[in-house]
Amino acid sequence: ETGVTQTPRHLVMGMTNKKSLKCEQHLGHNAMYWYKQSAKKPLELMFVYSLEERVENNSVPSRFSPECPNSSHLFLHLHTLQPEDSALYLCASSPNRGYEQYFGPGTRLTVT
Amino acid sequence: GQQLNQSPQSMFIQEGEDVSMNCTSSSIFNTWLWYKQDPGEGPVLLIALYKAGELTSNGRLTAQFGITRKDSFLNISASIPSDVGIYFCAGLPSGNTPLVFGKGTRLSVIA
Repeated sequence: ETGVTQTPRHLVMGMTNKKSLKCEQHLGHNAMYWYKQSAKKPLELMFVYSLEERVENNSVPSRFSPECPNSSHLFLHLHTLQPEDSALYLCASSPNRGYEQYFGPGTRLTVT
Repeated sequence: GQQLNQSPQSMFIQEGEDVSMNCTSSSIFNTWLWYKQDPGEGPVLLIALYKAGELTSNGRLTAQFGITRKDSFLNISASIPSDVGIYFCAGLPSGNTPLVFGKGTRLSVIA
């Protein structure tokens, strides 16, 4: 049973839509992460939050906008996405930065 | 940047066989992690290794943190069909630097 949950599990959106992905961790961790996983590519780190402050932003396009209102919740707001943004978006948390990470089940995003 | 070389890329084995996969790097890591990912799911942490030379087991899985701190291996004994999936190694360098992932080993088990 995972301590990290993600909703929705599947999302299909048009290029002009605005949607949000939600992640919640029940582990009491202080750091949370967004990753993108595309077919046949390694995991790509998108954003890192530590104690609700964004500490890393790996050159992610501005059409992806993260939000961390508290240490248990992380959102990824999506707008005007492109078909190449279709991927599995994974949330993870860790006790603090520099510790092992625990992943959620992911949101399978399809942009049409 | 730091990279992990994970091998093999894929394996086809008979049920009951033992499996071995490894990760190597030119850089030192302070922690080695092994994850398994099933299709359409997130990676699940299998084993975490924190000290050079450490050997840790989790059921039929055994992993070791290489003595040079630049490699790690994962063994699965007596494989079963539910072992099918993609296995990732990941390394944590020192400090607050991000996890570095290998490209994964895709394991197929033939009954």
